[in-house]
Amino acid sequence: DQQVKQNSPSLSVQEGRISILNCDYTNSMFDYFLWYKKYPAEGPTFLISISSIKDKNEDGRFTVFLNKSAKHLSLHIVPSQPGDSAVYFCAASPLYGNKLVFGAGTILRVKS
Amino acid sequence: EPEVTQTPSHQVTQMGQEVILRCVPISNHLYFYWYRQILGQKVEFLVSFYNNEISEKSEIFDDQFSVERPDGSNFTLKIRSTKLEDSAMYFCASSEALTLAKNIQYFGAGTRLSVL
Repeated sequence: DQQVKQNSPSLSVQEGRISILNCDYTNSMFDYFLWYKKYPAEGPTFLISISSIKDKNEDGRFTVFLNKSAKHLSLHIVPSQPGDSAVYFCAASPLYGNKLVFGAGTILRVKS
Repeated sequence: EPEVTQTPSHQVTQMGQEVILRCVPISNHLYFYWYRQILGQKVEFLVSFYNNEISEKSEIFDDQFSVERPDGSNFTLKIRSTKLEDSAMYFCASSEALTLAKNIQYFGAGTRLSVL
């Protein structure tokens, strides 16, 4: 099931710089997108979401951009902090749907 | 802050045995979900549950699986006869509603199921 793809398995960033995590999707029925962060031995923690009626949503240091025509979204973290080091999952669903389809995740390492 | 609670954190069982994984969703949430993550693979949807019935299920969720909300607080996943390939991390999630601002699924810490 390759409906949601995170092509970068890992990303390493210096503290204070920007982290950009990318996600592509193939299913045109997806209208709602979420980013989750996951630490080892914990469940996914919700970070930020965006619906297809918007192209940007911002919450503090986190901004998600959606390019519907390209079926691409990205998560920007500015400035990156060592505590941001985790696995980041992109997930998608139809707008009023039940089921989340997850990407494989990107391991982010923020170096101090 | 309200959270989804799952017990046990780790369950070891013999192949062919029945297991019940337990979850306490966030109290005002109406939609409940089970996902699983096999080691090294993606998080996969299993089932969603609303108003005391299954609203959607995946191909993985075959007759060996069942879900139940036995009382006002617990949500359980039962695997009747476990197989080796059922070994995975099982996550419970809940959401308040399906409207735009409330369709955020909050996840528990997971139960690691090891089938020997």
